[in-house]
Amino acid sequence: GAGVSQSPRYKVAKRGQDVALRCDPISGHVSLFWYQQALGQGPEFLTYFQNEAQLDKSGLPSDRFFAERPEGSVSTLKIQRTQQEDSAVYLCASSSRVRGRGLSGANVLTFGAGSRLTVL
Amino acid sequence: AQTVTQSQPEMSVQEAETVTLSCTYDTSENNYYLFWYKQPPSRQMILVIRQEAYKQQNATENRFSVNFQKAAKSFSLKISDSQLGDTAMYFCAFMKQNTNAGKSTFGDGTTLTVKP
Repeated sequence: GAGVSQSPRYKVAKRGQDVALRCDPISGHVSLFWYQQALGQGPEFLTYFQNEAQLDKSGLPSDRFFAERPEGSVSTLKIQRTQQEDSAVYLCASSSRVRGRGLSGANVLTFGAGSRLTVL
Repeated sequence: AQTVTQSQPEMSVQEAETVTLSCTYDTSENNYYLFWYKQPPSRQMILVIRQEAYKQQNATENRFSVNFQKAAKSFSLKISDSQLGDTAMYFCAFMKQNTNAGKSTFGDGTTLTVKP
């Protein structure tokens, strides 16, 4: 697609429920990232995929968080037994591996609009 | 570990004036990238400008330019001829230069308001 698409845009969950957030990256982008952005703060890294391989999951806050990208395109971030502290905007970003200049190319992240999760 | 600090939580500027947003960072790396992102109220993060640490020349993109001081670990953003559409939250970000790079460390942002 033309941009990074995330769904749902808004999700309200009761504490203890499981949620799944979807990310559809730019077609052909090898790298995919998930970030968590709490209100009034900058995004914090959660996990990184290169194609279908999850190369870095050091930012996942607990074992309740799980991410997958089985076919190297669409990714799902799953949060089990949600807690109130999980309330945040979850941002997905993708990047290509093609070297470029300026505002394009490798290491340049294109973000989706985010999924805002509210846990009651 | 890297840290990024934006010491100005909020700033405002009159339309058509110039404003500078500050960013400092801490790293032991020698090769890295620095970025400024804009996040308007709709929340989609947009890349504004990118600087490669090995380049001495400051990056510019139209009305946006940076003052990159590697020794001081400072990376400020200057917006010239400010426009109402520049109103947004601005994030400074650091990324190590690495073949699997992309993992970025962000500051907590500066909310910029452009006043008519």
